[in-house]
Amino acid sequence: LAKTTQPISMDSYEGQEVNITCSHNNIATNDYITWYQQFPSQGPRFIIQGYKTKVTNEVASLFIPADRKSSTLSLPRVSLSDTAVYYCLVAPRSSGTYKYIFGTGTRLKVLA
Amino acid sequence: NAGVMQNPRHLVRRRGQEARLRCSPMKGHSHVYWYRQLPEEGLKFMVYLQKENIIDESGMPKERFSAEFPKEGPSILRIQQVVRGDSAAYFCASSPLPISGTSGYNEQFFGPGTRLTVL
Repeated sequence: LAKTTQPISMDSYEGQEVNITCSHNNIATNDYITWYQQFPSQGPRFIIQGYKTKVTNEVASLFIPADRKSSTLSLPRVSLSDTAVYYCLVAPRSSGTYKYIFGTGTRLKVLA
Repeated sequence: NAGVMQNPRHLVRRRGQEARLRCSPMKGHSHVYWYRQLPEEGLKFMVYLQKENIIDESGMPKERFSAEFPKEGPSILRIQQVVRGDSAAYFCASSPLPISGTSGYNEQFFGPGTRLTVL
């Protein structure tokens, strides 16, 4: 499974757009990029997944450049409740993939 | 459909005692995974179980730790003779393998965790 690098922490203010970039230089052809969110005292929760270009859902957008060596999670108009740790994972999309590696993640703090 | 249930949420043990952590997967899920999270760190895979079988325990310490997922009842992570270094949050996740759902991704649904404190 490819190693990922993310900023340790970020601060933002309510209503701003937050972009968290993840570096994954050794990503393999069949790897997908997945982001999880973890609130204090809770388990991680799936946010979004993508392979290339752009993916958007009701919570976030994921931007992946053509070389796929990095990706950016974009959270529009954050609120205080978006304060959490965000993890970037890179792994093949198959039933044989289950041993997910969570790095230290990015601690996002949203300020009033 | 209730999510993954873990109990207890908080567990305090003295050194040398045993800790038993329970995990009930989501309805319809027969695959369970245990992870450990030390303070300020990411989750580390410990073990993957299917009903009555251990599929991969490569992340489990060789001694004192064991896991089971019986035909009936929850999955149990057991830590014998706990030491202070075992203090951590232990998360259980479940999935409905083989791949299902619109994403086609082996999404794991996590429980709220059990926070173990060893005095």
